[in-house]
Amino acid sequence: LAKTTQPISMDSYEGQEVNITCSHNNIATNDYITWYQQFPSQGPRFIIQGYKTKVTNEVASLFIPADRKSSTLSLPRVSLSDTAVYYCLVVTHSGAGSYQLTFGKGTKLSVIP
Amino acid sequence: DTGVSQDPRHKITKRGQNVTFRCDPISEHNRLYWYRQTLGQGPEFLTYFQNEAQLEKSRLLSDRFSAERPKGSFSTLEIQRTEQGDSAMYLCASSLGSLAGALAKNIQYFGAGTRLSVL
Repeated sequence: LAKTTQPISMDSYEGQEVNITCSHNNIATNDYITWYQQFPSQGPRFIIQGYKTKVTNEVASLFIPADRKSSTLSLPRVSLSDTAVYYCLVVTHSGAGSYQLTFGKGTKLSVIP
Repeated sequence: DTGVSQDPRHKITKRGQNVTFRCDPISEHNRLYWYRQTLGQGPEFLTYFQNEAQLEKSRLLSDRFSAERPKGSFSTLEIQRTEQGDSAMYLCASSLGSLAGALAKNIQYFGAGTRLSVL
């Protein structure tokens, strides 16, 4: 069964770099890896997306190894406002030629002053 | 604000009743997705539409669940004969994507969700 795995929680001090890794063992070969951020009582919000190697935008970097069985979200110099739950999203095979969007269970990041 | 809107925000119902939720996507978006999220879990994919066509349905979507997207605009998700296990946040998202395009490539924009409580 397709599965994505993330650490349940992480703590970090303000100003530090945070790396969150998601393992996805049954990822579709031609689809993208996306990370979302979610605050309480809100829907998830897009952070970054990539297919392979490294992608960087104004808020984060995404590292994807050649086998694409994992991805690492890197948040540089976190602040208190980065306290949230972070999810990876991939497309996985669900059997019989069918695919589905699969979110990880989420990593709750707590930023400490 | 022209983001994704969901209605109602909260719904309390008794077991066995039918409920219907509505989602209005971003106007130019042709893809629309429904997810279910329980406390402490990531969103679980239920189904998605490309325009008015329902292209994928999760095995989580039992016969009691039905979704429609008439005319490729707003969408409704109906749950018949609700059970206590249906209590969750139901999230809708929309994106812009081509029919042959990768499923996860297009950025999804989420609504704030409808929280369902079944008593």
